[in-house]
Amino acid sequence: EAGVTQFPSHSVIEKGQTVTLRCDPISGHDNLYWYRRVMGKEIKFLLHFVKESKQDESGMPNNRFLAERTGGTYSTLKVQPAELEDSGVYFCASSPRSGGSGNTIYFGEGSWLTVV
Amino acid sequence: AQSVSQHNHHVILSEAASLELGCNYSYGGTVNLFWYVQYPGQHLQLLLKYFSGDPLVKGIKGFEAEFIKSKFSFNLRKPSVQWSDTAEYFCAVKGGGFKTIFGAGTRLFVKA
Repeated sequence: EAGVTQFPSHSVIEKGQTVTLRCDPISGHDNLYWYRRVMGKEIKFLLHFVKESKQDESGMPNNRFLAERTGGTYSTLKVQPAELEDSGVYFCASSPRSGGSGNTIYFGEGSWLTVV
Repeated sequence: AQSVSQHNHHVILSEAASLELGCNYSYGGTVNLFWYVQYPGQHLQLLLKYFSGDPLVKGIKGFEAEFIKSKFSFNLRKPSVQWSDTAEYFCAVKGGGFKTIFGAGTRLFVKA
């Protein structure tokens, strides 16, 4: 079974540019999460999709970040325009539909974003 | 709001030493608790989890963790570490709802 896949694995962009990160969850997983880790800090929750709907986007830093999940399959996270403080590792994770409090989430390898 | 505190940011041990990594959380309700590990160059993976029942949980690679409800703690232990345990370890808590909250991580370096 394929795991959570993320693309690109690394991205270096200039301040002011736009970057789009993509996540393909494990097939059949309705729950999809985005997390971010800034260097040396904790892994912070950004948002949670249930299928194509945003269940919780309380962790999104500001309106420069836009997440979508078209058709409830893959998800994209766009940063526009990127700022220096957006640098970090963006993790995507997924869990199955019956995801009450008991479900483990499975992580992708992360997308490393560097804004210069 | 939920939060997770990991006591040590960096730990250096020699092989065969015992390990204990501290984790405390703040959430008053029922919780699910996790330890994740990220080995160098690899993605985050689950080490062990507690949902209910026996508060002493066994995980992979000889790790275990004990949930002490009265102390809001979920410390990770291993009696004898190996060089291959060098990694970063994250404690995580899922309370009400779906959101999983992570601690800042503890970097473990094991000297051969």
